Amino acid sequence: DGGITQSPKYLFRKEGQNVTLSCEQNLNHDAMYWYRQDPGQGLRLIYYSQIVNDFQKGDIAEGYSVSREKKESFPLTVTSAQKNPTAFYLCASLRVPGGEQFFGPGTRLTVL
Amino acid sequence: EDKVVQSPLSLVVHEGDTVTLNCSYEVTNFRSLLWYKQEKKAPTFLFMLTSSGIEKKSGRLSSILDKKELSSILNITATQTGDSAIYLCAVEDNAGNMLTFGGGTRLMVKP
Repeated sequence: DGGITQSPKYLFRKEGQNVTLSCEQNLNHDAMYWYRQDPGQGLRLIYYSQIVNDFQKGDIAEGYSVSREKKESFPLTVTSAQKNPTAFYLCASLRVPGGEQFFGPGTRLTVL
Repeated sequence: EDKVVQSPLSLVVHEGDTVTLNCSYEVTNFRSLLWYKQEKKAPTFLFMLTSSGIEKKSGRLSSILDKKELSSILNITATQTGDSAIYLCAVEDNAGNMLTFGGGTRLMVKP
């Protein structure tokens, strides 16, 4: 089945640690996105990539980093510089040109 | 900067009621407006509205785009408890396949 997978489903991090969230898609989509969602709020864009080996900052990129070495994969690293990382993280992908974005199931990150 | 505002923030209705959710936007080069339903995890796609398709309907859900007023509404008739969710509106511009999301409307349908 084609789709987007994210892992892990739940992640607990101690303060000062970097953690990496995985996002993989087998939809052959060119563009991939990372969003953050806080309780009761909409989605805010962290980073996006429209082609392999290229990515751009979104609205709230500080404290996060990404890579796009393969078309299928777009991992997000939450660094210790991110002051309030506890949130729900959603990855999405899109076949260019624009249309609906398909979302993964999400990763819930909690900082202890 | 693109901006999307949804209202109301939250809504509580009883089964069978009809609800209307609002979305207004400011975007430099509008391409499309999308509605998503988010229950517990990933948002699921409902509708895409563009200049060539300003009205969509699927079962009890329907949506209209008003390009003059820069807004859209999502109507749900004969609501059911399964309609309880956060409804997200997003607009896409022509610049680069980007979506700007609104803050969402949380709908609760009581039996």
